[in-house]
Amino acid sequence: KQEVTQIPAALSVPEGENLVLNCSFTDSAIYNLQWFRQDPGKGLTSLLLIQSSQREQTSGRLNASLDKSSGRSTLYIAASQPGDSATYLCAVPPKAAGNKLTFGGGTRVLVKP
Amino acid sequence: GAVVSQHPSWVICKSGTSVKIECRSLDFQATTMFWYRQFPKQSLMLMATSNEGSKATYEQGVEKDKFLINHASLTLSTLTVTSAHPEDSSFYICSASRDSYGYTFGSGTRLTVV
Repeated sequence: KQEVTQIPAALSVPEGENLVLNCSFTDSAIYNLQWFRQDPGKGLTSLLLIQSSQREQTSGRLNASLDKSSGRSTLYIAASQPGDSATYLCAVPPKAAGNKLTFGGGTRVLVKP
Repeated sequence: GAVVSQHPSWVICKSGTSVKIECRSLDFQATTMFWYRQFPKQSLMLMATSNEGSKATYEQGVEKDKFLINHASLTLSTLTVTSAHPEDSSFYICSASRDSYGYTFGSGTRLTVV
């Protein structure tokens, strides 16, 4: 059974610092890995999707790496801003597409102005 | 793209009544949709998998007669909370997957039962 863990559970940084969020998973037979952002009382917004054959994905200030062999993914957010304050979730489906996701517990980020 | 629209965004209902929540895939066909429930400051809990044209698959502990799911078309799934009670108050979110886009989530529905 796939288990996904996110460390740290919460993170508070001053504006401008880089953020490093970690995600680990126990079963390396994944189809892809997806990072989401959730604001309080809102749904999830997809940030980055990394296919199992890829090592990283980038979008603006966001960069996510994937190391299947060690069961790890890291989300980097450069030059953090107060608007980056949210909960960040990583999730993996099993090998076949369309099956249910396994979520990590999330990292709650606060960027202080 | 891959957009999922969820309505309503919030609803207040009286105890004992039923509430229907809609989840639509706007620009793609979704043979499978997922319904989640989220309590404050907790992660998402999968309630059921909605399959177009067939019965939904419920997770252990979720009452299928309480949470009715209908997936009548490739773009619409509905969740009906029947005979709602205050303990059903929660945040409900749907999602669907599209191959190259991964999973897309609706904006969620805040249900308050009074």
